[in-house]
Amino acid sequence: GQNIDQPTEMTATEGAIVQINCTYQTSGFNGLFWYQQHAGEAPTFLSYNVLDGLEEKGRFSSFLSRSKGYSYLLLKELQMKDSASYLCAVRGSGNTGKLIFGQGTTLQVKP
Amino acid sequence: DAGVIQSPRHEVTEMGQEVTLRCKPISGHDYLFWYRQTMMRGLELLIYFNNNVPIDDSGMPEDRFSAKMPNASFSTLKIQPSEPRDSAVYFCASSLIAGDIWLTFGAGSRLTVL
Repeated sequence: GQNIDQPTEMTATEGAIVQINCTYQTSGFNGLFWYQQHAGEAPTFLSYNVLDGLEEKGRFSSFLSRSKGYSYLLLKELQMKDSASYLCAVRGSGNTGKLIFGQGTTLQVKP
Repeated sequence: DAGVIQSPRHEVTEMGQEVTLRCKPISGHDYLFWYRQTMMRGLELLIYFNNNVPIDDSGMPEDRFSAKMPNASFSTLKIQPSEPRDSAVYFCASSLIAGDIWLTFGAGSRLTVL
């Protein structure tokens, strides 16, 4: 089967750093994606990891450990606009483009 | 580029009625996906197409749901008859190739079945 786990909710303070974890068990692995979804809007792409290590993109970084089935999304210098749901998604084996999503982590940034 | 276009944005209907959701993918994208999002189950893949051909419909809940892609620029998701438990936001997404390229989502169609 396939299983992707994320914390349901997190709270952090403006200007701080927050790490959102994701663990996965899937039949095959061909990449891990992070999406951001503001309330009432569509998910938008944030980052992609297929090899182990850290990918940095501005205030956002994403880490992957394939042997541990683990990823995290790191958000630095939090801003109020970062309040949103963050979705972890895994592409299984094969080159199909099909993504399986976790339930998402709702992040609330407080002043 | 106009992005992925979905219609209607909101639909309220009564149980038993037929519902048709529409999607226009980004021009040139050869993969199209239909997802459903609810609070309880999150974002679930219903079906996806490659070059207008359905590849995997294992996520389609039951026979009441059907999807078509008659050409590269249009797809429909139909529910007949609709039930209250079908209430959700339905997202269409497309991607250029199946490689490293991510999915681009439409704005979604919020369906409420009374």
